[in-house]
Amino acid sequence: SAVISQKPSRDICQRGTSLTIQCQVDSQVTMMFWYRQQPGQSLTLIATANQGSEATYESGFVIDKFPISRPNLTFSTLTVSNMSPEDSSIYLCSVSGTSGSRGTDTQYFGPGTRLTVL
Amino acid sequence: DAKTTQPPSMDCAEGRAANLPCNHSTISGNEYVYWYRQIHSQGPQYIIHGLKNNETNEMASLIITEDRKSSTLILPHATLRDTAVYYCIVRVGGRGSTLGRLYFGRGTQLTVWP
Repeated sequence: SAVISQKPSRDICQRGTSLTIQCQVDSQVTMMFWYRQQPGQSLTLIATANQGSEATYESGFVIDKFPISRPNLTFSTLTVSNMSPEDSSIYLCSVSGTSGSRGTDTQYFGPGTRLTVL
Repeated sequence: DAKTTQPPSMDCAEGRAANLPCNHSTISGNEYVYWYRQIHSQGPQYIIHGLKNNETNEMASLIITEDRKSSTLILPHATLRDTAVYYCIVRVGGRGSTLGRLYFGRGTQLTVWP
């Protein structure tokens, strides 16, 4: 499985500011994803980070609010823009990886970034 | 959108087998069953996945019914560290960009007690 690190691990920010979260993988991966987990809730997929092209966003998420970069096959960033207290969540990076020979990739998750917006 | 149904909570005595059920009656032929778990405040951990045959690894066993409409995750000897939320997810299998997206439902909160 891939080893995934995220920076920062946690942050406390003021409303109206922006925060960029970094995701680094120890090997080249085809697919990278960003998820959000609001307090007491399950995970919600924000977008797929595509290398060399614009990210693909899920319904309810837009590029202006969550710009994503993916400059290479091991790194991606997610920016949470113009933050409000409703953006307080854990943000998780995830990557696809090969799992044996059973015909399909699986997916691994980073430790998450805990964001609190005041 | 989550296509699975799981009980919201279960408990299990330490050392006993934990059997977590999942219904996925609308599963398609090209969809795999995946199981993840999330221990409090950590990123989800991959456990196991399968298409139609039963699977076993060092963490758990996955039993999929013949009609593929339901499955059971078995933790053979539950420990206190297995206390977590367990997610059953169906997704289109594939490699790279053909891999389907992973959408999480509410999962099952498993509590293992001493």
